[in-house]
Amino acid sequence: NAGVTQTPKFQVLKTGQSMTLQCAQDMNHNSMYWYRQDPGMGLRLIYYSASEGTTDKGEVPNGYNVSRLNKREFSLRLESAAPSQTSVYFCASSAGTGISYEQYFGPGTRLTVT
Amino acid sequence: QKEVEQDPGPLSVPEGAIVSLNCTYSNSAFQYFMWYRQYSRKGPELLMYTYSSGNKEDGRFTAQVDKSSKYISLFIRDSQPSDSATYLCAMEDATNKLIFGTGTLLAVQP
Repeated sequence: NAGVTQTPKFQVLKTGQSMTLQCAQDMNHNSMYWYRQDPGMGLRLIYYSASEGTTDKGEVPNGYNVSRLNKREFSLRLESAAPSQTSVYFCASSAGTGISYEQYFGPGTRLTVT
Repeated sequence: QKEVEQDPGPLSVPEGAIVSLNCTYSNSAFQYFMWYRQYSRKGPELLMYTYSSGNKEDGRFTAQVDKSSKYISLFIRDSQPSDSATYLCAMEDATNKLIFGTGTLLAVQP
């Protein structure tokens, strides 16, 4: 039982490049989330998926797209990376079909955009 | 003004000390209050949650919520070096999203 896994762990991009961050959970959870964590800003919600087939914007969705590929997997795509997207990205999941306070987080992806 | 304010620290205490971590908030509609713990280079993990006002105890940890003052606290008794981490408070807003504080970095010195 691996919980929430994220790939890659580290990534360096040049401005304008694109990439997809992958997330998978093996807990049969319904809801999945993408957050970014920046110094002095805390965790901020980018997008979430309350159930398979649905996605909704969070606090900071601009510059990102998401895909809920199936119940297990939720990917985050940066179409044209910008230095402002340098951050640590966390995927999380929870059991219910709405946003839940009990969220399980992955280990994070450290992204640097130069 | 941020909806949730948390002193970033760092807070350094000797082993065995009582630690008090605090957050203030501005939205009186918050009902669920959480504390997450985040070890260095790891994802956060839920430590405790409280619904509405009052206290909740779990081993060496006690969470308090004072809705009249819009103030929440986490107390750690008999602190251990393994408690060294960043502690994030979080609150659930009216749309059921979590609003996180910026986190307080705690170091417990052996």
